[in-house]
Amino acid sequence: AQKVTQAQTEISVVEKEDVTLDCVYETRDTTYYLFWYKQPPSGELVFLIRRNSFDEQNEISGRYSWNFQKSTSSFNFTITASQVVDSAVYFCALSSWGGRTYNTDKLIFGTGTRLQVFP
Amino acid sequence: DAMVIQNPRYQVTQFGKPVTLSCSQTLNHNVMYWYQQKSSQAPKLLFHYYDKDFNNEADTPDNFQSRRPNTSFCFLDIRSPGLGDAAMYLCATSRDRAEAQHFGDGTRLSIL
Repeated sequence: AQKVTQAQTEISVVEKEDVTLDCVYETRDTTYYLFWYKQPPSGELVFLIRRNSFDEQNEISGRYSWNFQKSTSSFNFTITASQVVDSAVYFCALSSWGGRTYNTDKLIFGTGTRLQVFP
Repeated sequence: DAMVIQNPRYQVTQFGKPVTLSCSQTLNHNVMYWYQQKSSQAPKLLFHYYDKDFNNEADTPDNFQSRRPNTSFCFLDIRSPGLGDAAMYLCATSRDRAEAQHFGDGTRLSIL
């Protein structure tokens, strides 16, 4: 079974604080892909990052960084020096091979973490 | 410039009255998806097209249909909307399998 767990339902921080959003995934497939999406109040889903299961290197993009650890099946997302504009719901998602090509078209979403950044 | 365009942004229909939501893309992506998202929930995949191949999720109600007449356009038809179908409907595209999905702004559907 494939599953994504985002245990943090809601996080509130004050501007300039660092914040880490947790994501734990489950899959039996050796080939899989992990994603993070941001959904601001306006509703659209914004793609942030995609990682494949063979690349465990951490990634940094400006104030955003991602920590992928296969040993703990986690793909955590850290925002450094948070800003009010970071307020949104953040979704972690998984797609995996599963032996059928169309399975990799599917995104399995976590339930999302609502981040509120206060000035 | 918007690359995945959904029309309309807001749609109101009556209980049982058929409604069609549209999605177009300028990315020339092979895969197009329709998701339903209810308040405070994750998006739920309804179906997707890989090129012309249609893939329906097992738990998508028969009330929901889709058409993809060409690469650029994809439609979601709800034949007899019920109150439980009120939601945000998101269209997404991806270049190929397991690639990043790019979402439109969504259509918020209300049922009277």
